[in-house]
Amino acid sequence: TQLLEQSPQFLSIQEGENLTVYCNSSSVFSSLQWYRQEPGEGPVLLVTVVTGGEVKKLKRLTFQFGDARKDSSLHITAAQPGDTGLYLCAVGVSGTYKYIFGTGTRLKVLA
Amino acid sequence: DAGVTQSPTHLIKTRGQHVTLRCSPISGHKSVSWYQQVLGQGPQFIFQYYEKEERGRGNFPDRFSARQFPNYSSELNVNALLLGDSALYLCASSLPGPPGGYTFGSGTRLTVV
Repeated sequence: TQLLEQSPQFLSIQEGENLTVYCNSSSVFSSLQWYRQEPGEGPVLLVTVVTGGEVKKLKRLTFQFGDARKDSSLHITAAQPGDTGLYLCAVGVSGTYKYIFGTGTRLKVLA
Repeated sequence: DAGVTQSPTHLIKTRGQHVTLRCSPISGHKSVSWYQQVLGQGPQFIFQYYEKEERGRGNFPDRFSARQFPNYSSELNVNALLLGDSALYLCASSLPGPPGGYTFGSGTRLTVV
């Protein structure tokens, strides 16, 4: 069974600080997604990465897929209160049509 | 364009009862997936349907069932509700094939008392 571990589980920072959250596995993936979920809402897709070593930027968010395609990181620069939420990584399970989600990193950015 | 719509938004049921949750995918999306998200955890896969056929099933008991209609909308049914079924039930639609990525609805918050 593929397992996605996310770290840290919880993070509380001040507005303007930088942070990095991680998604790790012992398995190799063809692609990986990052989602953000706000309370009472469904997850919203932020990005899909498919190539080992790939770096994608979305405004103040930088996503990196590990060279071996087993891990990924999300870096937020100058965090804002609007970045508060649950950050989830997800991968497709090869040979099936399902996605596995990590347990998430709960981020709180204080004004 | 309307996103993924789910109904109802909130529901309270008693143990042993039955519940039906509904989902309409984004127009043009033929694939619908259902996930259960217990408080503090990531979503857990329940079912995926594509073109009205079940394409995948997660590790959930037979009390959970689903179907997809010709208009690609879907229902998730749960029989003999248990307290542990209390969760946010998420529906997601997607286009077929990798690399994929879902568009989720806002979910149905089910509370079993």
